[in-house]
Order: sequence, then structure tokens, then C-alpha cells
Amino acid sequence: DIQMTQSPSSLSASVGDRVTITCRASQSITTFLNWYQHKPGKAPKLLIYAASTLQGGVPSRFSGSGSGTHFSLTITSLQPDDFATYSCQQSASAPWTFGQGTKVEIK
Amino acid sequence: QVQLQESGPGLVKPSQALSLSCTVSGDSIRSGENYWSWIRQPAGKGLEYIGRIYTSGSTNYNPSLKSRVTMSVDTSKNQFSLRLDSVTAADTAVYYCARVRIEVVGSGYHFYGMDVWGQGTTVTVSS
Repeated sequence: DIQMTQSPSSLSASVGDRVTITCRASQSITTFLNWYQHKPGKAPKLLIYAASTLQGGVPSRFSGSGSGTHFSLTITSLQPDDFATYSCQQSASAPWTFGQGTKVEIK
Repeated sequence: QVQLQESGPGLVKPSQALSLSCTVSGDSIRSGENYWSWIRQPAGKGLEYIGRIYTSGSTNYNPSLKSRVTMSVDTSKNQFSLRLDSVTAADTAVYYCARVRIEVVGSGYHFYGMDVWGQGTTVTVSS
């Protein structure tokens, strides 16, 4: 299985901050990398697919980059609604695997 | 608006089978434009891929669960289902169904994430 490692596991930030979360794959997944946002009691929400393509309806302050084994999710100006957990997921090779999640908390 | 809704028992006894269904509205499983998947999340842990199914009934299961998992699709009801046999406490989790974005490439597919999810259903394994 391809292992997905996210960092950091949690971070504290303020509204307006720029936040970057990284995700590393144990082997190349080209650009088959997706990012999700999830909040307690709610369904996960797809933010980015194919490493850098913004899902419809997702604010442009979210962006993704990377290829191969190194990827990142950036939120350019953190908003109150963005405090949540973010997970990466590879869809290059079955079984699909997820990172352990990064919890973004209010500073 | 596409919606997915999980249904099934919230409590299952150890060694029994867990059975869940996912009803799709606003989209047609029969169209073949997507795959359909099951994901779970134990409390305090990350998301885990259980498997996926296509309208044809073609499946892919996580090897860690493969011997216990069966997925099926009922296009007449626009539903797909999950059965997990011989459950233990380790199977206690929130179970989600989700739609998978795909792109047809030659005779296969590229998969681009899960773009619509159900709200999730909590399944507890306990006697």
C-alpha cells in the first residue's frame, strides 16, 4: 500500500493567516492526489483533485500543488469557516489511502 | 443536487455481519459516469478506504478487509450496499458512502477523488 504522511498533524493559526499543509507519498503517485476538509459530524468535502484542480464551489483561497511524492495544500487567508481537519488521499493505486489528517485550530 | 444517504443498523453484535445501504438521489448509478465507494473513520483516527463498485458490479476492495467485504449494486433502486462479515470492536466507526469522479482512459479509468459524500452513519460493534 502507498503510505501518505501529512505534516503537521495540527496547527494553530489566526484568521487571515496563510496556512500550508504538506503531504508526502511513499512512492510516486504522479498527480493523483486529492484534498478533503472535514468537520465533526459532517461529511468530508472535496477541495482539490488531481493535485491542483479546485473542486467546483470551493473558494479560490484554497490551492494545491505538487507531483510525484510531495504535495501541499495552501489556504491564502484563513477564514473562520476553514477551521477543520484536512486530509490528503491518493487515488493512483488501490487500495486508496489517506493521510492521518491535519487539524487546523484557532490561535 | 446529488445526495447520498447511508442507512442500516447502528449497533451490531460481535461476529455478526454489518450491512449498510447507500441511496443515491440526483444522479443515476446506471449511467456509469462514476464509481461508488465506502469509506470509514474510527473515532480519533483517519479515513480508511473500504472499497468501490461500478454499475456493472465490478469491485475493488481494500486487501485489509477483502476476506470480509462484499459490495453490491441495485440499479433499480439506485442503491449500492456494503456487507462486512465477522465484525469486531475494531470495525466500530462512522461509515460513509461517496461518489467517485472518474475519467475513462482507454479500457480503464483514472480516479479523481470523491466529490459527493453521505452524511455518515455510526456503527458500533458491541454485545
